[in-house]
Amino acid sequence: EAGVAQSPRYKIIEKRQSVAFWCNPISGHATLYWYQQILGQGPKLLIQFQNNGVVDDSQLPKDRFSAERLKGVDSTLKIQPAKLEDSAVYLCASSLVKVGELFFGEGSRLTVL
Amino acid sequence: AQSVSQHNHHVILSEAASLELGCNYSYGGTVNLFWYVQYPGQHLQLLLKYFSGDPLVKGIKGFEAEFIKSKFSFNLRKPSVQWSDTAEYFCAVIRLTDSWGKLQFGAGTQVVVTP
Repeated sequence: EAGVAQSPRYKIIEKRQSVAFWCNPISGHATLYWYQQILGQGPKLLIQFQNNGVVDDSQLPKDRFSAERLKGVDSTLKIQPAKLEDSAVYLCASSLVKVGELFFGEGSRLTVL
Repeated sequence: AQSVSQHNHHVILSEAASLELGCNYSYGGTVNLFWYVQYPGQHLQLLLKYFSGDPLVKGIKGFEAEFIKSKFSFNLRKPSVQWSDTAEYFCAVIRLTDSWGKLQFGAGTQVVVTP
């Protein structure tokens, strides 16, 4: 079974630039999550989709972050404009059921200079 | 604020030593509990989970965890660690009363096992 795919694995940008991350979840998984993991901290949920609808985006900084999941499959997370404090690993995860095990991708490491 | 607390940020121990990592949560009500592990250079993966039933659950690689409801705890244990257990360990909780099952993580414990 293929896992959660994410790209790019690494990205370095300057502050005020924009960046986009892509995620393809495990086939058949209706729930998709984006987490932000800052060095030394646990992952923090940014946004959660059920199929192509948003069910939780309470911790998403909506002035600069946006995410979409068209057709209920893959998803894109965008940051525009980036700030220094956005330097983190962005993790995508998917699950078959809403309170079950999450399967994580390798993550996309963002460095903002 | 509701949270998940892990007692230690860093643990260093020798091979064959016993490991216990503490995890407490502050949610009321019914919860699902998880321990995830992240080996160096790898993605987060599930170590074990508790949904219901026997509060002592066994996971992969000889790990086990005990859910003590009265103490809001879900501590992870391994009787004898190996060098390959060097990793970061995360406790995570879903409160079942949340409509959409928001998984909250602790800050993680970095475990280093020395030969």
